[in-house]
Amino acid sequence: SAVISQKPSRDICQRGTSLTIQCQVDSQVTMMFWYRQQPGQSLTLIATANQGSEATYESGFVIDKFPISRPNLTFSTLTVSNMSPEDSSIYLCSVRNGPNEQYFGPGTRLTVT
Amino acid sequence: EDQVTQSPEALRLQEGESSSLNCSYTVSGLRGLFWYRQDPGKGPEFLFTLYSAGEEKEKERLKATLTKKESFLHITAPKPEDSATYLCAVQEKDSSYKLIFGSGTRLLVRP
Repeated sequence: SAVISQKPSRDICQRGTSLTIQCQVDSQVTMMFWYRQQPGQSLTLIATANQGSEATYESGFVIDKFPISRPNLTFSTLTVSNMSPEDSSIYLCSVRNGPNEQYFGPGTRLTVT
Repeated sequence: EDQVTQSPEALRLQEGESSSLNCSYTVSGLRGLFWYRQDPGKGPEFLFTLYSAGEEKEKERLKATLTKKESFLHITAPKPEDSATYLCAVQEKDSSYKLIFGSGTRLLVRP
């Protein structure tokens, strides 16, 4: 299995500001994913981040709002830009490891006031 | 449209009382069906991946089965530490490896 860490674990931010979330994996992985879990709801994929290429965003998510970096095979960042209270969620980093195993980080709990 | 539906939304069991959670899905082609456990304030913990109808996998008190339209997570003689939200997700046969999640089943096991 892959060990995934995220920073920060939680944050409280004011509307209109931006927050960058870091994801670090203990092994090299090709595919990394960013998911969002809104309060009381299940997980929704924001984007897929592959090293050496632009992130691929799901319908309803755009690069200007959620820019992603993937500088190497063990690290990625997700920025939540120009935040509003509707962005209050848990943001989760995930990696594909092996033929069909996918692991999640501990999440970043974001509250926007 | 791809869809994953889990039932029941919540389940309360007495310790030792076995039961099953259901995950029904509709996808154009299934690459895999995933089960996760999520504790409050934590990320999902990977449990199983099932690939084809008839497949079964076991881990301690948990056993997952798969048919062409649904999956069951059987919990045998549960303990209070099995209390968690159990999430089901499907992955389509395309190149995206996107997981489509159900809304989960909140399980509470009372001592």
